[in-house]
Parts: sequence; C-alpha cells; structure tokens
Amino acid sequence: GAVVSQHPSRVICKSGTSVKIECRSLDFQATTMFWYRQFPKQSLMLMATSNEGSKATYEQGVEKDKFLINHASLTLSTLTVTSAHPEDSSFYICSAGREVYEQYFGPGTRLTVT
Amino acid sequence: DAKTTQPTSMDCAEGRAANLPCNHSTISGNEYVYWYRQIHSQGPQYIIHGLKNNETNEMASLIITEDRKSSTLILPHATLRDTAVYYCIVRVRQAGTALIFGKGTTLSVSS
Repeated sequence: GAVVSQHPSRVICKSGTSVKIECRSLDFQATTMFWYRQFPKQSLMLMATSNEGSKATYEQGVEKDKFLINHASLTLSTLTVTSAHPEDSSFYICSAGREVYEQYFGPGTRLTVT
Repeated sequence: DAKTTQPTSMDCAEGRAANLPCNHSTISGNEYVYWYRQIHSQGPQYIIHGLKNNETNEMASLIITEDRKSSTLILPHATLRDTAVYYCIVRVRQAGTALIFGKGTTLSVSS
C-alpha cells in the first residue's frame, strides 16, 4: 500500500505555544488529505479535509483559527495547533487519498501540552 | 454516510479464524463497505473493501450478504499481531470523501 509519513511522532509543548505537524505522501500525489484527532479510548474524529491549493473544510465544532491547515503541494499538508492548551493534547492522524483510490493513514503524532 | 453497528469486543484464539460482523442496514446502492484496523497507538491500516461481491486479499476475506445489509470480515488464521480495533465503514467511493469512524470492535487474540 501507499506510504504516508508524519512528523514529529511525538511532541511536548508548553501551554500557549504553537505546534506544527507535517503529513507527507511519500510515493503518490494526494489530491485530498484529511486530519483526524483521537482522544484516549475513543474513535477517530474527522477535523478537516484539505485539497491542494485551496482552503480546508473544517468539521462542525473545529476552530479553523486554532487548527491551521495548509496543503501547499500534492505531497504535503501541515496542521498547526496555535496557542495550544492542555485540552488539545491528543493523537493527531492524517490520511491521504488519490482520486478514487483508498485512503492511507500516517502513523500519528502524539501531542502533549503541559 | 450510513451508520454501522459492530460488537464492542470479541475474543479469538491464536490460529483460529476470527469472524467480525458488521450491520449496515441503511447502506445506499453506491456505498462500499470498508474495513480498517488500528493497532494501539498507530494510524489505521486498510484491510479490504467491497461493494456486493465477496472479496479476498492477503490479509482477509469480506463476505457481504445478498441484501448488503450486513457483512463479515474474516481473518482466517488469527495471530497475536491481529489484536486491534477493527472498523467497518460504509462510504461512497469518491475522491475527497472522508472515512467516518464509529466505535469499532476490539479484537483480542490470545495464545
């Protein structure tokens, strides 16, 4: 299957700072990338959908000014958590899809805000 | 997307077949059945998908009932590494369509 990477795999930051998470499709061009969040013992929750070169579409309840998504190329999307707070601590997962092919997920990024 | 119903948890002995059921009684004609799994603290892994015919790949088999209202994922010889949360998702196979995850089934394989 296709390979999607995320960086960093783990990050600890102080409350009030911003954190950027990168998602890359390594061996294919992703027309669409998705960002999910997963709290402990819960399922994945879709945060937003991003298409290359256009603004992301956010799910209801997700603050677009807090979770900035940039999809600058067909192989890279970034999620920036601005002014992070302890309640933003979570497992963030991206996925990438190409045309009608299946979605492939990254390994996830564990964010801890202290 | 149509909703799916899965048992919360299942147990399976190593080496035996694991049969994971999923109900999707409101599935639409153009929606596919997808299965993904998530091993602890990792991203979900694609397993298999189908529309109405039974499907098999190197990981698993997917059996879809004739009325398409339910399906079963079969892991023919479960191993300890198959312990994971398994998600059954129905989705239109269209570019830009996200996967919406339910609660899934926690499969525990023991020796």
